[in-house]
Amino acid sequence: QKEVEQNSGPLSVPEGAIASLNCTYSDRVSQSFFWYRQYSGKSPELIMSIYSNGDKEDGRFTAQLNKASQYVSLLIRDSQPSDSATYLCAVSRGGAGNQFYFGTGTSLTVIP
Amino acid sequence: SAVISQKPSRDICQRGTSLTIQCQVDSQVTMMFWYRQQPGQSLTLIATANQGSEATYESGFVIDKFPISRPNLTFSTLTVSNMSPEDSSIYLCSVVWVRGANVLTFGAGSRLTVL
Repeated sequence: QKEVEQNSGPLSVPEGAIASLNCTYSDRVSQSFFWYRQYSGKSPELIMSIYSNGDKEDGRFTAQLNKASQYVSLLIRDSQPSDSATYLCAVSRGGAGNQFYFGTGTSLTVIP
Repeated sequence: SAVISQKPSRDICQRGTSLTIQCQVDSQVTMMFWYRQQPGQSLTLIATANQGSEATYESGFVIDKFPISRPNLTFSTLTVSNMSPEDSSIYLCSVVWVRGANVLTFGAGSRLTVL
């Protein structure tokens, strides 16, 4: 398994705050990066994908990628109690026939 | 939207027995994978299910323990053989759809408890 590490949790933030989730990966050939959200008892669901260095924004979510540092992060602005879940970072070499490897996950709790 | 059907959704099995999990999708996919999620843990890739040929297993997983079939583009099975309590996990089928971005979508999972 390709090594993908996430910041240790659990992470607790008050409602309305910014939650910051971090991920590092070891495979320098990785080209595609993803953030999945997993609610307790449910399957993971994709919330963001990023392929180029820099920032990508989608609503309250911003993904940041730095391939030189092998680092990807997710910022959640104006955190809501419904954001409470486990967030999983995933990486892939991209293209057809390539596997997806997941990080250890970070549990986020947003306190009302 | 495209659907991934996985069954059984859950099962309780006795030590030493085997269980086959089925994954059926309603649209064409480029890739099918099987993951394991042990209690409180993240996702570990077991293998890539290859159509019409042997699956590609990740380090630590072997065909004798986790035989996988994929007879066509839209169907795959994972068998957990000679089960022990350590095999108690959620097993997830996941796919990359032909139509759409190269991202992974998961089935609902099969929760397996081995006594």
